[in-house]
Amino acid sequence: EAGVTQFPSHSVIEKGQTVTLRCDPISGHDNLYWYRRVMGKEIKFLLHFVKESKQDESGMPNNRFLAERTGGTYSTLKVQPAELEDSGVYFCASSQVQVTSGTQYFGPGTRLTVL
Amino acid sequence: AQSVTQLGSHVSVSEGALVLLRCNYSSSVPPYLFWYVQYPNQGLQLLLKYTTGATLVKGINGFEAEFKKSETSFHLTKPSAHMSDAAEYFCAVSSPTSGTYKYIFGTGTRLKVLA
Repeated sequence: EAGVTQFPSHSVIEKGQTVTLRCDPISGHDNLYWYRRVMGKEIKFLLHFVKESKQDESGMPNNRFLAERTGGTYSTLKVQPAELEDSGVYFCASSQVQVTSGTQYFGPGTRLTVL
Repeated sequence: AQSVTQLGSHVSVSEGALVLLRCNYSSSVPPYLFWYVQYPNQGLQLLLKYTTGATLVKGINGFEAEFKKSETSFHLTKPSAHMSDAAEYFCAVSSPTSGTYKYIFGTGTRLKVLA
């Protein structure tokens, strides 16, 4: 069974540009989460999808961040326009609550550097 | 609100010595507790978890952790460190009553194993 995949693995952009991160969850997992780790800090929750619906987006930093989950499958996280403080590693995770007691399975992350 | 504290951002042990990584949590409801490990250039891998039942949980690679409600702790241990254990370890808490099961992470502990 394929794990959670994320693309790209690295992205280097300039301030003001747009970047789109993609996450493909484990097949059959209805729950999809985005997290971010800024260097030296803890991994922080950004938002949670159940299928295609946003269940909790309380961690989204501001309206420059837009997350979507098309048809309840893969998800994208767009940052527009990017700022220096957006640099960090963005993790995606998925779970099937009824089966895994909320255990989340993580992708390898996308390292975003904003210059 | 939930929170997690990991004491020691860096821990060094000799090969063959006991590994003890500390995690204390704060939660107003019975939590679910997790330990994840991140090896260089990889994603987060689940080591073990506590949801309900037996308070001593065993995980992969010889690690175990004990849930102590009275001490609000979930420390991770391994009797004998191996060079391959060098990685960053994250403790996380989630609430089964929150509806989202989102994780609150500690700041991580980087384990170094000395030959």
